[in-house]
Amino acid sequence: QQQVRQSSQSLTVWEGETAILNCSYENSAFDYFPWYQQFPGEGPALLIAIRSVSDKKEDGRFTIFFNKREKNLSLHIKDSQPGDSATYFCAQKKGGRALIFGTGTTVSVSP
Amino acid sequence: GPKVLQIPSHQIIDMGQMVTLNCDPVSNHLYFYWYKQILGQQMEFLVNFYNGKVMEKSKLFKDQFSVERPDGSYFTLKIQPTALEDSAVYFCASSPRQGQNTLYFGAGTRLSVL
Repeated sequence: QQQVRQSSQSLTVWEGETAILNCSYENSAFDYFPWYQQFPGEGPALLIAIRSVSDKKEDGRFTIFFNKREKNLSLHIKDSQPGDSATYFCAQKKGGRALIFGTGTTVSVSP
Repeated sequence: GPKVLQIPSHQIIDMGQMVTLNCDPVSNHLYFYWYKQILGQQMEFLVNFYNGKVMEKSKLFKDQFSVERPDGSYFTLKIQPTALEDSAVYFCASSPRQGQNTLYFGAGTRLSVL
């Protein structure tokens, strides 16, 4: 499978801080990059996504910054809350092909 | 939001036995997927399925694995025979149409092979 790498396995931030999660990929043919959020005991759920024609996507406190030339992207969680504590997966997809996940980053938000 | 149901939530079997994992996808969805996750780590793609056929599979989808969805009932993953390394959480997902990028996941079935 094409590699999607997440630079940190875990990340701890204080409540109110901005958490930054980094992701890189290999194959520039992929054009859709979602982030999935997974809580313990649950399946992953789509949080926010970006297409490779864009360099930024914002949805409330969550923002994706995308750098096509460098083949990397990041998820920023502004004003982190304890309820944001979860594992976040960067992923990639093209058309009808499979969704390929990264290795995941577990975020802990301390009150 | 749309719900994918997986039954059972946990299954324990002896190595060499057959196991069938059941998935009840979202009712109007046409594309179905299985993923494998070990110890809360990376979600690894196994297979996707449409119109009664396997569309794409990974190298993790061994010959002992098979999928089917007879007559619009459960979408199943069968492993026969099981091996110790099959112990993992298996997630089913569905999406409504080709090119639809959002996958909806179930809560997973934890398979323990002893």
